[in-house]
Amino acid sequence: KAGVTQTPRYLIKTRGQQVTLSCSPISGHRSVSWYQQTPGQGLQFLFEYFSETQRNKGNFPGRFSGRQFSNSRSEMNVSTLELGDSALYLCASSLYREGDTQYFGPGTRLTVL
Amino acid sequence: KNQVEQSPQSLIILEGKNCTLQCNYTVSPFSNLRWYKQDTGRGPVSLTIMTFSENTKSNGRYTATLDADTKQSSLHITASQLSDSASYICVVSDNTNAGKSTFGDGTTLTVKP
Repeated sequence: KAGVTQTPRYLIKTRGQQVTLSCSPISGHRSVSWYQQTPGQGLQFLFEYFSETQRNKGNFPGRFSGRQFSNSRSEMNVSTLELGDSALYLCASSLYREGDTQYFGPGTRLTVL
Repeated sequence: KNQVEQSPQSLIILEGKNCTLQCNYTVSPFSNLRWYKQDTGRGPVSLTIMTFSENTKSNGRYTATLDADTKQSSLHITASQLSDSASYICVVSDNTNAGKSTFGDGTTLTVKP
């Protein structure tokens, strides 16, 4: 069974630009969650999607948004990038709930210059 | 407010030695407690998951314990190897419909030869 995949793995952008990250969950998993991890920080929850609906949302500004497609694939978008958005963005999938056993992707390393 | 606290923040041990990492939580209502291992720059990988009725779970050299009464968990690593050097994250989920997870900040373990 293929694991969670994320694309791209690395990304370099400049301030003010926008970026879209993609996540393909494990086949059959319907819950997809996104997290931000900065150096020395724990995982910060961004949002969770289930059946194409955002079910939970963390405390991030509206510049961070996401969506989920009918095949459970998910994208997250960050608009008007700031230097502080530089981080490892992790996607995790689980069967039904964010609180079930999660399987994480390798992450997308975003650098904002 | 749901919280997960891990200790110590960092730990250095010699190869072959044992160590124990701690996790205290205040998440309620409790659903499950998970331990993850995260290598630098990679996504977390699940080690163990325990529900309310389980008080110990092993995965090779990793053994997790759970005391639901005191809301404490520990992760014991025996005969440490250099490859055990990583961040270990404790995650506790609540028992609501969405199963929201609360992440600890992790313990950084360094195993030296």
